[in-house]
Amino acid sequence: AQKITQTQPGMFVQEKEAVTLDCTYDTSDPSYGLFWYKQPSSGEMIFLIYQGSYDQQNATEGRYSLNFQKARKSANLVISASQLGDSAMYFCAMALNTDKLIFGTGTRLQVFP
Amino acid sequence: DADVTQTPRNRITKTGKRIMLECSQTKGHDRMYWYRQDPGLGLRLIYYSFDVKDINKGEISDGYSVSRQAQAKFSLSLESAIPNQTALYFCATSDLGTGLLADTQYFGPGTRLTVL
Repeated sequence: AQKITQTQPGMFVQEKEAVTLDCTYDTSDPSYGLFWYKQPSSGEMIFLIYQGSYDQQNATEGRYSLNFQKARKSANLVISASQLGDSAMYFCAMALNTDKLIFGTGTRLQVFP
Repeated sequence: DADVTQTPRNRITKTGKRIMLECSQTKGHDRMYWYRQDPGLGLRLIYYSFDVKDINKGEISDGYSVSRQAQAKFSLSLESAIPNQTALYFCATSDLGTGLLADTQYFGPGTRLTVL
C-alpha cells in the first residue's frame, strides 16, 4: 500500500539556521512524484517543491531543496537560512500516475529569533 | 484575484442539514479534487474529477457527493451533515499532461465546516 510517513510532529530551529524535515514513502510503483506543501496558521496549502522518481538531481526552489534518496525511499525537505515566516505545518505528499495525492501527517516547524 | 476560490470560507450548521461547498478556478485546469483535513491526520481525498464527465470516489467518499458543473466549478455536498464531518475542506486543481510524472495540485484557501 502507498504511504507517506512524517515522524517529526514538531521541530524547532533558530532563525538563519538550516533545518531538515523528514519524509519517507512506500510504494512499489516505479513512477511517482513527491511534493512538499506549507500550511501557515492562516490555513492555505502552499506548494513548495516537486521531485519526480526518475529525476537524477535533487529539486531546488530558492531556499527549499529536496534531499531525494530513492534507495532509502526518503524525500526530506531542507530549508536553508530559516526565517520567522517559515513557521508553519509542512506536509509531504506522493502522487502516483493518477495524480491523487497521499499526504503525511505533517510536521510543525517553529522558527525562533 | 485568487486562482482557486472556495465558498463559504466558514460555515456552522446543525446535524441533519444539507450543505454545499463550492469551488471555482480560473487556472483552466481539467482536474479538480476535494480533500478533508482533520487534526493529526493530514489531508484525505474525498472525490476527484478529471473532466466534466468524469467523477471518481476517493479514500473517504461516504456521506459526500459532488457535482462538476463546468470545467471551472466543482461542488461538494453533505446530504445530511453529522458532527464527525467537522473539518477543514480543501478544493484543489491540477493540469493534465505537463510532462511530469505527476502534476502539481494547487489548493484553494479552504472551508472550515463545523457541524453541531
